[in-house]
Amino acid sequence: ETGVTQSPTHLIKTRGQQVTLRCSSQSGHNTVSWYQQALGQGPQFIFQYYREEENGRGNFPPRFSGLQFPNYSSELNVNALELDDSALYLCASSARSYNSPLHFGNGTRLTVT
Amino acid sequence: AQTVTQSQPEMSVQEAETVTLSCTYDTSESDYYLFWYKQPPSRQMILVIRQEAYKQQNATENRFSVNFQKAAKSFSLKISDSQLGDAAMYFCAYRGWAQKLVFGQGTRLTINP
Repeated sequence: ETGVTQSPTHLIKTRGQQVTLRCSSQSGHNTVSWYQQALGQGPQFIFQYYREEENGRGNFPPRFSGLQFPNYSSELNVNALELDDSALYLCASSARSYNSPLHFGNGTRLTVT
Repeated sequence: AQTVTQSQPEMSVQEAETVTLSCTYDTSESDYYLFWYKQPPSRQMILVIRQEAYKQQNATENRFSVNFQKAAKSFSLKISDSQLGDAAMYFCAYRGWAQKLVFGQGTRLTINP
């Protein structure tokens, strides 16, 4: 059973640039969610995708967008990067059922300079 | 909106001793899940234990157990026979019908040999 994998592990971008983060969900999982974890904080929910459609969103601006593909992998795109976007971005996958636990990847550490 | 509060930013315990991490939450939902996640320096969120709100019996996983007080909206984690590998950030999290996880701020646990 393949777990949740995220790429890249680290990257550095300049303010104003755009970035794409990628996530491969665990085998058998059809729901993917993304979280932003600032240094020393708990993760904050960005959004969730189910069957290629966004079906839940946290308090993040529209410059945070995503995609889910037919194989249930997902991308997180952030436009017009700001310094405060520097954080660990975590992807989690699960089955659709209410009681299905979330399985997390190792995250992507984004630094905006 | 649901909130999760962890009032202990840091805790330390001697190896082989017992430690309890505190968590309180606020919600108007009657059915939900509560979780404790462990985040070591590897960054991956690892599920430690979960509790279903409609179950009165406290969950137990080997050396980890919870004290779930639904009326008080309290959900503490007890770690018995602490081991060096237990050192990590611990996050309490809530999951309701929206299926997103709401995390607390975390407690950094140090194990003293």
